[in-house]
Amino acid sequence: AQSVAQPEDQVNVAEGNPLTVKCTYSVSGNPYLFWYVQYPNRGLQFLLKYITGDNLVKGSYGFEAEFNKSQTSFHLKKPSALVSDSALYFCAGSEPTGANNLFFGTGTRLTVIP
Amino acid sequence: GAGVSQTPSNKVTEKGKYVELRCDPISGHTALYWYRQSLGQGPEFLIYFQGTGAADDSGLPNDRFFAVRPEGSVSTLKIQRTERGDSAVYLCASSVSGQGTGELFFGEGSRLTVL
Repeated sequence: AQSVAQPEDQVNVAEGNPLTVKCTYSVSGNPYLFWYVQYPNRGLQFLLKYITGDNLVKGSYGFEAEFNKSQTSFHLKKPSALVSDSALYFCAGSEPTGANNLFFGTGTRLTVIP
Repeated sequence: GAGVSQTPSNKVTEKGKYVELRCDPISGHTALYWYRQSLGQGPEFLIYFQGTGAADDSGLPNDRFFAVRPEGSVSTLKIQRTERGDSAVYLCASSVSGQGTGELFFGEGSRLTVL
């Protein structure tokens, strides 16, 4: 079955330090991959996507993600964390046929400590 | 408003009752999606509409769940004979074209509690 996995339920990082939120995928062919963020009492918000092309994808709020085919990973990164980045982050994927049903990971709660 | 609107934000019902959840997508978005998010889990796909038709309903768990979008805008998710296991946050999202590569805009969800 097609899926993405987020191995960490919780990530803590000090403000100003680099952050990484991990995601691995299991998708046949070349997957479409996404990151979404959920702030308290807010709907899920799109951060970035990988469809094809450059393996390093840049998105909103200074976030970026690197598609690594050999490691089947799509980790979310930011060079310098802000307290306001504290939220729940979801990795998602879809089949390369352009299917519209995204499958999501279980989420990683990021806490940035002042 | 400019975003996806879902009503009610909270619904408490008794086992066996019928429930309707409403979604008002962003104006002009042809694609509309329903997802279900249980506690501690990621959103789980239920159904996808392109215009008025359900293009993919493979995620609906059983025939107690049904959704409509009669005019290609507002959608209603209907749950018959609710069970305690239906308790979850039901999320609606819309996108411009539904081509599978685009960005989904999510509402804040409707939290359903079945007692």
